[in-house]
Amino acid sequence: ETGVTQSPTHLIKTRGQQVTLRCSSQSGHNTVSWYQQALGQGPQFIFQYYREEENGRGNFPPRFSGLQFPNYSSELNVNALELDDSALYLCASSLVGGGGYTFGSGTRLTVV
Amino acid sequence: GEDVEQSLFLSVREGDSSVINCTYTDSSSTYLYWYKQEPGAGLQLLTYIFSNMDMKQDQRLTVLLNKKDKHLSLRIADTQTGDSAIYFCAESIDGGFKTIFGAGTRLFVKA
Repeated sequence: ETGVTQSPTHLIKTRGQQVTLRCSSQSGHNTVSWYQQALGQGPQFIFQYYREEENGRGNFPPRFSGLQFPNYSSELNVNALELDDSALYLCASSLVGGGGYTFGSGTRLTVV
Repeated sequence: GEDVEQSLFLSVREGDSSVINCTYTDSSSTYLYWYKQEPGAGLQLLTYIFSNMDMKQDQRLTVLLNKKDKHLSLRIADTQTGDSAIYFCAESIDGGFKTIFGAGTRLFVKA
């Protein structure tokens, strides 16, 4: 098992810019989910991808978008960054239907 | 609605048992989970229980599910200082396409 890897580990962006975060899923997993974790809070569900399509979305605006590739790697894109987007972004892979996630270590995004 | 609630802090002495409680609102939950997060790290799956079970034991961990009251608990036996971390309760809903997390319970273990 290779686990879930995310890049970069840290990132600083300016308000209004765009950012792309990357994730490589655990081998054998066919879904990928993205979460936003603000300091001192629990992870907030952004969306989940299965078979390269978004099949579940949380309460996040359309400027949060994603992609899943045939090799199950994934990207999270955020446009028009706002200061409140500063958070730890976690990628998690799983098998469809349940059984729990394998999480990456996250990307710490700071918007200034 | 979708909501998972946990108490924020728990402090225990090394060697004692810890019990972390959680309530959830969505009665269609299929799986319920406990995750552990150490400082600067992602979340680690500790254990999970299917919604038609009421108890699951895994070494020092015991999960109890009261589906009628929508209450989930995690008991850690013989708590060690290495168990100090944040513990998150989570429920899987929408046919498994969405998992909702609580705010986490910070466990302090005193030597």
